Amino acid sequence: AQSVTQPDIHITVSEGASLELRCNYSYGATPYLFWYVQSPGQGLQLLLKYFSGDTLVQGIKGFEAEFKRSQSSFNLRKPSVHWSDAAEYFCAVTSGTYKYIFGTGTRLKVLA
Amino acid sequence: SQTIHQWPATLVQPVGSPLSLECTVEGTSNPNLYWYRQAAGRGLQLLFYSVGIGQISSEVPQNLSASRPQDRQFILSSKKLLLSDSGFYLCAWRRTSGTREQYFGPGTRLTVT
Repeated sequence: AQSVTQPDIHITVSEGASLELRCNYSYGATPYLFWYVQSPGQGLQLLLKYFSGDTLVQGIKGFEAEFKRSQSSFNLRKPSVHWSDAAEYFCAVTSGTYKYIFGTGTRLKVLA
Repeated sequence: SQTIHQWPATLVQPVGSPLSLECTVEGTSNPNLYWYRQAAGRGLQLLFYSVGIGQISSEVPQNLSASRPQDRQFILSSKKLLLSDSGFYLCAWRRTSGTREQYFGPGTRLTVT
């Protein structure tokens, strides 16, 4: 069955520290992969996407993600976290059809 | 540039009352449109998607329905709300070809009392 797993429900980091959010997927076809960020009470904002080519993709707000086919992973990283990065982060996958599978999210807390 | 609007932003309705949530997209033509529901601590549940005017596909059988009366307008409705309909409703669009990312509206918080 197709699925997306975000194993960390909550992550707490100090401001200025590095961040890695994990995403593992199970998908039969070649996946299109996304990371979204959601602030409380708001919609989802696209951070970055992977379709093909270079497996390290850059996104907005200083985020990057690396696609590792052998590990079925698409982890999100940021070298130095800012207090404004506190939010919930969702990984999503599609094969290009209408359907998208979303993870259950990772809530990030940033300590001053 | 493209923008997506949803209204109302928040809504409190009694059980058994009707519902109408509206979503409109600007700056693009013939988008694919989606309605999702988001429950606390859970991912997004796809409710409906549409590839064109009058073309609606339902993912989850329930007391909700959707309509697309115009190219860039997507409406979520119910004749009689249930307590379980409470949640955060998100509309999204994507292009019909090319890249596959979805763009989300600001959402509607629905509380059924």
